[in-house]
Amino acid sequence: DFQMTQSPSSLSASVGDRVTITCRASQGISNYLAWFQQAPGKAPKSLIYATSSLQRGVPSRFSGSGSGTDFTLTISSLQPEDFATYYCQQYNSDFQTFGQGTKLEIK
Amino acid sequence: EVQLLESGGGLVQPGGSLRLSCAVSGFTFRNYAMSWVRQAPGKGLEWVSGISDRGGDTYYADSVKGRFTISRDDSKNTLFLQMNGLRVEDTAVYYCAKRTGITILGVPIDYWGQGTLVTVSS
Repeated sequence: DFQMTQSPSSLSASVGDRVTITCRASQGISNYLAWFQQAPGKAPKSLIYATSSLQRGVPSRFSGSGSGTDFTLTISSLQPEDFATYYCQQYNSDFQTFGQGTKLEIK
Repeated sequence: EVQLLESGGGLVQPGGSLRLSCAVSGFTFRNYAMSWVRQAPGKGLEWVSGISDRGGDTYYADSVKGRFTISRDDSKNTLFLQMNGLRVEDTAVYYCAKRTGITILGVPIDYWGQGTLVTVSS
């Protein structure tokens, strides 16, 4: 089975903090990695595609990096609206797996 | 403005069927691949199915293969998900999602609908 493993599962941080979320693929996916943000009770929102490219309208405090099997999402200075759950997804193959999610909470 | 509006969710008994629709606007539907993604209550996102532009290629998660069928009507700007043999574990909010190109392979999602809730229960 193709697995995407995110860490941590949850994270507490304060406004202004820098945070990093990690996503590991069970096999190489080149750079076909996306990140999504989901606020409670809302639909997901696309943040990053192709590992490091920001979707239109996404603030520059969000950034992505990595290649092969290891990827990261970094938020440089947390804002109140950033407290949400974040998911990675590989779209390299015809079975497109999501990570289990990382819940970012206010400390 | 890109808009995706799902409909067709509801309560259905195990073994029953349901057809979800996703009406789109704000882009040329026939030129883009589309996907369905679901989220069980309190759980994470699960990719369900995808379809290429014009419908020539379809893809399914193992958990729904043989029970669900994705299709599209480009004349009506609408994506469908026919769900047969529904199980309790299919209970979820179902989202439709637009891809940025003609295929789902190597092509990311950019827009999401608001979702429609499917509840499978006796």
